[in-house]
Amino acid sequence: GQNIDQPTEMTATEGAIVQINCTYQTSGFNGLFWYQQHAGEAPTFLSYNVLDGLEEKGRFSSFLSRSKGYSYLLLKELQMKDSASYLCVRSGAGSYQLTFGKGTKLSVIP
Amino acid sequence: DADVTQTPRNRITKTGKRIMLECSQTKGHDRMYWYRQDPGLGLRLIYYSFDVKDINKGEISDGYSVSRQAQAKFSLSLESAIPNQTALYFCATSGAGGSNQPQHFGDGTRLSIL
Repeated sequence: GQNIDQPTEMTATEGAIVQINCTYQTSGFNGLFWYQQHAGEAPTFLSYNVLDGLEEKGRFSSFLSRSKGYSYLLLKELQMKDSASYLCVRSGAGSYQLTFGKGTKLSVIP
Repeated sequence: DADVTQTPRNRITKTGKRIMLECSQTKGHDRMYWYRQDPGLGLRLIYYSFDVKDINKGEISDGYSVSRQAQAKFSLSLESAIPNQTALYFCATSGAGGSNQPQHFGDGTRLSIL
């Protein structure tokens, strides 16, 4: 299958750094998305990695290792508004091949 | 105004009723999608369309049908609703270029079937 594995829940402190890991099947892999979803709201696009390495966008960075089938989302200087679910989404070969992870619910505490 | 608009935002109905969820977009995207989201299961694809004359089944199409009335409009129907179709439904769009294009989601329709 094309299962996505990511932790179900994480808790971190305001101002800290948190890393959310994701593993996926490497066969037929194109790239890896991360989305943020606040409770009851629409998912919003954060990043897309297709090459190995780290891509930084302000407080958020995303890392990809194609050979290991591994990605992570790094959130720095956590704010209360970062409390949300973070979805790891694998893009594969074919006309439509998106596989959504179940999401990691991040709680930021004071 | 939102780029991807779903109506209604909330709906409560009874088993056996026919329901239509509507989606319209102003992004000019050819590709449109319908997903459902259930607690603990993540987003699952119901149907997708790459242009007005193209309709494809997704992972969980049974019990659903769709219509792509125009480039900007993609509606989802439940012909005879059942309680296990209670879920949060999302419409999404993406630009041409394959599955490496980000998806843009509507605000969702919360559907409850009694």
